[in-house]
Amino acid sequence: EDQVTQSPEALRLQEGESSSLNCSYTVSGLRGLFWYRQDPGKGPEFLFTLYSAGEEKEKERLKATLTKKESFLHITAPKPEDSATYLCAVQTGGYNKLIFGAGTRLAVHP
Amino acid sequence: GAVVSQHPSWVICKSGTSVKIECRSLDFQATTMFWYRQFPKKSLMLMATSNEGSKATYEQGVEKDKFLINHASLTLSTLTVTSAHPEDSSFYICSARDIGSNYGYTFGSGTRLTVV
Repeated sequence: EDQVTQSPEALRLQEGESSSLNCSYTVSGLRGLFWYRQDPGKGPEFLFTLYSAGEEKEKERLKATLTKKESFLHITAPKPEDSATYLCAVQTGGYNKLIFGAGTRLAVHP
Repeated sequence: GAVVSQHPSWVICKSGTSVKIECRSLDFQATTMFWYRQFPKKSLMLMATSNEGSKATYEQGVEKDKFLINHASLTLSTLTVTSAHPEDSSFYICSARDIGSNYGYTFGSGTRLTVV
């Protein structure tokens, strides 16, 4: 069964304290791994798509990496405005649908 | 970039009534749209895949007679919650994919449904 697991469930950081969020997956044929940011009461906002092991993408303070078993979202010198829930999702096999992990709730304090 | 508009953003209805939620792709055509449900502090649960011009594909455990999906055009899908009950109260989100963009799957802003 296809499965996506995110850790930690919640993370509290001080402003400027870098860290990483983990997304491990077990799927039958990865077609793409997606990272989204979700603010309370809003829909997910697209961050990155990764397609193959070894791929990396960056956007401002965020960097996403992918291996054959997991993906990491690295946050460098976070700011309070980075506080949100970060969701990981995978697209598998011949399907167009996404399977989501439970998310990591990030809180960055000044 | 790809934009998906969802309306309304929130709605309160009485038990037994029906509520319709609209999802529109504003600057691209979407042959497939997706409907999700999200409980507080939980992740997105896929309810159904909406296919333009054909019947929706529902996930296991989702009542197709309660959650009616119509995808009549390449830019509009609707979700109707029929005979709503308090347990249907939730956050509903739609998404669509613009094949020609790098944005992956774009999500609407969600609809908060409260059934009283």
